[in-house]
Amino acid sequence: GQQVMQIPQYQHVQEGEDFTTYCNSSTTLSNIQWYKQRPGGHPVFLIQLVKSGEVKKQKRLTFQFGEAKKNSSLHITATQTTDVGTYFCAGGGGGSNYKLTFGKGTLLTVNP
Amino acid sequence: NAGVTQTPKFQVLKTGQSMTLQCAQDMNHEYMSWYRQDPGMGLRLIHYSVGAGITDQGEVPNGYNVSRSTTEDFPLRLLSAAPSQTSVYFCASSYTPKVDVTQYFGPGTRLLVL
Repeated sequence: GQQVMQIPQYQHVQEGEDFTTYCNSSTTLSNIQWYKQRPGGHPVFLIQLVKSGEVKKQKRLTFQFGEAKKNSSLHITATQTTDVGTYFCAGGGGGSNYKLTFGKGTLLTVNP
Repeated sequence: NAGVTQTPKFQVLKTGQSMTLQCAQDMNHEYMSWYRQDPGMGLRLIHYSVGAGITDQGEVPNGYNVSRSTTEDFPLRLLSAAPSQTSVYFCASSYTPKVDVTQYFGPGTRLLVL
């Protein structure tokens, strides 16, 4: 079945440093979504990418979808303590219209 | 709108006990699903429903039952709890059963099976 790998598993940065998490799929994706989960909280939708090579920005966050639609990345510029949490990617496709496959997530901690 | 609600927030069970985790949404969403979250494992799909009366298995369905008698409610039943079912359970919903729509997650139920 479809597998979505996410790296790194953990990332600790100093406030102000940049951060990137990567997502790779074993199959071509129809779309990819990104979620953020604060410690003790629940996943919250950030953004969706559907087009090959798509790039979207939300303030300090930049999301990319690869040309082959098998990989994606989330880049945060100049991290802040409010960025702390686990970032998940979730891919659609792989023969099912109803199931998103989540990566294992990247836990970001920020040292003030 | 309350969004997606889950009860209880916390639960401790003994091995072999049964219980039902409740999930409700007031957004008239067609699609509802249950995930479990374990350390280092991400979110794994247990069961999902594309509408009232229709359910299907996800990635890790063993030991769990679901039903969808109304659009609003999607309870998850543990028939005979096992320590391996210790986890955080999230219910999610979306307005249509497609992978390219936003999933709205409930606050979660933290379950400990002794």
